[in-house]
Amino acid sequence: AAGVIQSPRHLIKEKRETATLKCYPIPRHDTVYWYQQGPGQDPQFLISFYEKMQSDKGSIPDRFSAQQFSDYHSELNMSSLELGDSALYFCASSLDTYTGELFFGEGSRLTVL
Amino acid sequence: RKEVEQDPGPFNVPEGATVAFNCTYSNSASQSFFWYRQDCRKEPKLLMSVYSSGNEDGRFTAQLNRASQYISLLIRDSKLSDSATYLCVVTRSNDYKLSFGAGTTVTVRA
Repeated sequence: AAGVIQSPRHLIKEKRETATLKCYPIPRHDTVYWYQQGPGQDPQFLISFYEKMQSDKGSIPDRFSAQQFSDYHSELNMSSLELGDSALYFCASSLDTYTGELFFGEGSRLTVL
Repeated sequence: RKEVEQDPGPFNVPEGATVAFNCTYSNSASQSFFWYRQDCRKEPKLLMSVYSSGNEDGRFTAQLNRASQYISLLIRDSKLSDSATYLCVVTRSNDYKLSFGAGTTVTVRA
């Protein structure tokens, strides 16, 4: 069965650079979530989209932005990268925005040097 | 105070043992409850939903106590492969926002 696809899996950037992460949700899933997980931390909610519209916003820095495109894939853009942005970034999708049944991608590991 | 709190553990248990741990939530309007499993450096995966009447899936039993605002997970006959971090997830009934607990680490030793 198709799962949530994230790319790239690993990314190394310098401080102040820009990074873009991509997420392809499971077909027919209408909600996409982005989470950031630092070492030893629980996943922190960044932002979500429902039917290509932003549905909720969490602790996403102003330096980050995201959108969902007409084909339902989503991109997380991160600018002016800081050392503290180094983390595992998960994208998740769900069939129904009203449940907690999320299907996570394998994550994109960002390292900022 | 975090909306969802878990004992971080670690719970170190021998194979075949039973291990149980709780997750407390602060918002009485919480509606749905889930246990996710996360292996080291991997993505969280849904382990089981938690229903009001409690539910069992093989060696795993989940319970919900609304009066005391906690859910529990019990693992019987622990296997080495059960070693993981177990994340509690709670959704609110008013805005369906999800809250993750910080996770409980379980290590099963041979």
